Amino acid sequence: DAKTTQPPSMDCAEGRAANLPCNHSTISGNEYVYWYRQIHSQGPQYIIHGLKNNETNEMASLIITEDRKSSTLILPHATLRDTAVYYCIVRANTNAGKSTFGDGTTLTVKP
Amino acid sequence: GAGVSQSPSNKVTEKGKDVELRCDPISGHTALYWYRQRLGQGLEFLIYFQGNSAPDKSGLPSDRFSAERTGESVSTLTIQRTQQEDSAVYLCASSAIQRAHYYEQYFGPGTRLTVT
Repeated sequence: DAKTTQPPSMDCAEGRAANLPCNHSTISGNEYVYWYRQIHSQGPQYIIHGLKNNETNEMASLIITEDRKSSTLILPHATLRDTAVYYCIVRANTNAGKSTFGDGTTLTVKP
Repeated sequence: GAGVSQSPSNKVTEKGKDVELRCDPISGHTALYWYRQRLGQGLEFLIYFQGNSAPDKSGLPSDRFSAERTGESVSTLTIQRTQQEDSAVYLCASSAIQRAHYYEQYFGPGTRLTVT
């Protein structure tokens, strides 16, 4: 699986959009970008994933650059409950199990 | 429906003792994974099961660690002769697979293991 690079921490004001970047410059053509988050003392939770097109669901939007070497997770209206560690992972959907979760980005949403 | 469950939620054991951690995956999920998360760190892959195939044990840190899975249901992670460095949260996840496409992982709440 390709290695990802994320900033260790970010702050965001409540009600504003949170934009979390991820670099994955060595991503392969068959690898998807996945985002998970982990709220304190809980197991990670799936947020969204994509291959090359931008994706949106009820939780977030995922913007992938045209060269697929980076992506941004967007939480459109951050709330205090969105405070968590956010993990960006790239893996092929034919390769289960060995998802490498790095240290992620600790997002702190402030009132 | 029910999510992934793990037991116990917390386990304190003395150095040198064996421990067993249990994971109940989501019904119908054929893939099951174990991860270890040390305090303040990311997830470390341990082992992966898929159906009746041989498990991928490439992430197990030593021969003190082993895991079993009964069919496509419960899995048990066993740590023998525990050491203080084994203290961590052990997370289990499961996912569905359709036509060789692996879908997102659903994680349990984890078991916090403390070795004294």
